Amino acid sequence: GDSVTQMEGPVTLSEEAFLTINCTYTATGYPSLFWYVQYPGEGLQLLLKATKADDKGSNKGFEATYRKETTSFHLEKGSVQVSDSAVYFCALKPRAGGTSYGKLTFGQGTILTVHP
Amino acid sequence: DGGITQSPKYLFRKEGQNVTLSCEQNLNHDAMYWYRQDPGQGLRLIYYSQIVNDFQKGDIAEGYSVSREKKESFPLTVTSAQKNPTAFYLCASSRGTESSYEQYFGPGTRLTVT
Repeated sequence: GDSVTQMEGPVTLSEEAFLTINCTYTATGYPSLFWYVQYPGEGLQLLLKATKADDKGSNKGFEATYRKETTSFHLEKGSVQVSDSAVYFCALKPRAGGTSYGKLTFGQGTILTVHP
Repeated sequence: DGGITQSPKYLFRKEGQNVTLSCEQNLNHDAMYWYRQDPGQGLRLIYYSQIVNDFQKGDIAEGYSVSREKKESFPLTVTSAQKNPTAFYLCASSRGTESSYEQYFGPGTRLTVT
C-alpha cells in the first residue's frame, strides 16, 4: 500500500539556519504530494503542494520539489524563524482508481523547534 | 469566513459512554474525513464520505460510527467498543476526491476518556 516516510525528529535549529526535512514515499503511479504544518493545539494547515513530477511547491519561504526518480518531496527553507516552530507532515494522495482513491496518507510528522 | 468548525475543543467522558464529536463545514465541499492523531504519530483515517448519505471505513474504523445526512455535517460517534479512545480527533473536508484537491482541517477535538 501507499506509505510516507519522514526523517526522524525532533529537529532543533537556531534562527536564520537552513532547514531540510526529508520525505520519501511509496505509491502506485503518480500521486499528488503535500506538506502540512500543525501549530501547538491546532489542526493542520496546508503549507504547499505539488501534483506532478518536477513541480515545485512554495509558500512562506518554504519549498519542496516533486522528484519522481527518487520518490522524494523534501521540505526546505533558507532561513527559519522562531514562528516556524511546529510539527510538519508530509502526505500523499493517489491518482484516480484503486482502493486508496481520495485518501491522504501521512508521514509520522517532524517536530521543528527554532531558538532565537 | 468559510471554514470547518469542530466542537467542543476539549471533551471528557467516562469509560463505557458513547460520545459524539461535531464537525461542520461551510466550504460547500463534497468530501469529508475523520482522522485520529496520537502523540508522536501521524494521522490515521477513521471514516470518510465522498458525498451525502454515503461513507466508507478508513484504516481504523472499529469502535467508531458516522453519518452524513447533510452536506455540511459529518458527526463522529466514539462508541464504548473503542478500546483506546483518548486522542486528538481532526475533521477535514475537500472539494472532491481528485488527487490535486487538498484537504482543509478543523481545529480538532481533544477527547479524554477515564
